[in-house]
Amino acid sequence: KAGVTQTPRYLIKTRGQQVTLSCSPISGHRSVSWYQQTPGQGLQFLFEYFSETQRNKGNFPGRFSGRQFSNSRSEMNVSTLELGDSALYLCASSLVSGTDEQFFGPGTRLTVL
Amino acid sequence: AQTVTQSQPEMSVQEAETVTLSCTYDTSESDYYLFWYKQPPSRQMILVIRQEAYKQQNATENRFSVNFQKAAKSFSLKISDSQLGDAAMYFCAYRSAYSGAGSYQLTFGKGTKLSVIP
Repeated sequence: KAGVTQTPRYLIKTRGQQVTLSCSPISGHRSVSWYQQTPGQGLQFLFEYFSETQRNKGNFPGRFSGRQFSNSRSEMNVSTLELGDSALYLCASSLVSGTDEQFFGPGTRLTVL
Repeated sequence: AQTVTQSQPEMSVQEAETVTLSCTYDTSESDYYLFWYKQPPSRQMILVIRQEAYKQQNATENRFSVNFQKAAKSFSLKISDSQLGDAAMYFCAYRSAYSGAGSYQLTFGKGTKLSVIP
């Protein structure tokens, strides 16, 4: 069974631009969570989607948004990029959540210049 | 809000030796899950071991075991017979068993970088 895939793996943008990252969960998984990883703040929860609905959102500004499609694939969007948005963005999928294990993708490395 | 603290930013261990990584957490909940994740230099995060708070027995997975002290809110990871492939960042994580908002997000510690010396 294929694992969680994220595209692109690397991305370079400039301040003020917007970016869209994609995550394809493991087949059959319906929950997708996003995390931001930086050296200073560590791993922080962004949001979680289940059956195309956002179930929860972390403490991030409104520039960070996401969505989930009917096939459970998810995208996250960051508008008006700032230098501090440079990070590794990790996506994790699980069957339903709750007691289910979360499987992580390899991440997208975003660099904002 | 729950917090997870890993007080050892870096640790090293000789190959074949045993090492223990520390983790403490703060929560007012009585039911929750604790995890140790491993993130090798390739960046793919993988689950090493999980512990359910209502289970008194410490979880074990081959060379990996935990020492779960619920009253002390401590959750350490012991790696026995360390191997070169164990070198990675290790993250302790907490997840509530309850979900008022319908989400089961993970709260991570800052991580411990483990080096294995041949």
